[in-house]
Amino acid sequence: EPEVTQTPSHQVTQMGQEVILRCVPISNHLYFYWYRQILGQKVEFLVSFYNNEISEKSEIFDDQFSVERPDGSNFTLKIRSTKLEDSAMYFCASSHAINTGPYGYTFGSGTRLTVV
Amino acid sequence: TQLLEQSPQFLSIQEGENLTVYCNSSSVFSSLQWYRQEPGEGPVLLVTVVTGGEVKKLKRLTFQFGDARKDSSLHITAAQPGDTGLYLCAGGAYGNKLVFGAGTILRVKS
Repeated sequence: EPEVTQTPSHQVTQMGQEVILRCVPISNHLYFYWYRQILGQKVEFLVSFYNNEISEKSEIFDDQFSVERPDGSNFTLKIRSTKLEDSAMYFCASSHAINTGPYGYTFGSGTRLTVV
Repeated sequence: TQLLEQSPQFLSIQEGENLTVYCNSSSVFSSLQWYRQEPGEGPVLLVTVVTGGEVKKLKRLTFQFGDARKDSSLHITAAQPGDTGLYLCAGGAYGNKLVFGAGTILRVKS
């Protein structure tokens, strides 16, 4: 069964440092996403990426965040200057889509980011 | 802002009992997905419903999408301890993003 792979599984970083979270989406999927889940809270949408550009982003996804698909397989989330409140599980997902909306979402196992 | 309200938040039942989890909104969604999430893992897709009134069955699990595409339910028949976990509903919103409910923690005791 195809998987979305995320690395690292855990990342501890000092406040103010830059972090890059990496993802390998499913190869024939067209849409790529980042979601986050703060401990005890809902899974929240951060950003969607299609055709090599951001298609939508939430208010959480401010100038400190950026995404990139540097080659044909990797999809990365960069946080430029981490804050304590960025501590969360970050999930990458990919999907194909039909005209009725998101379909066939697959999530990775997540990266637990801890900012100290 | 589109919101999904899930109920109940927590459910503890005996093995063999039936249960229903609800997911409600005042907004219309293009699709509704149900996920199961284990601690420390990502959500795993169980089913996607797209058409208003649609019913899908996955073994002992029955999923229904409301006629107006604003609500959904997950019904489990004869629950087993292996069904224990966190169940999430997520609505398909504009731009292919998902809006998640807060989840229902199900505990099935043997």
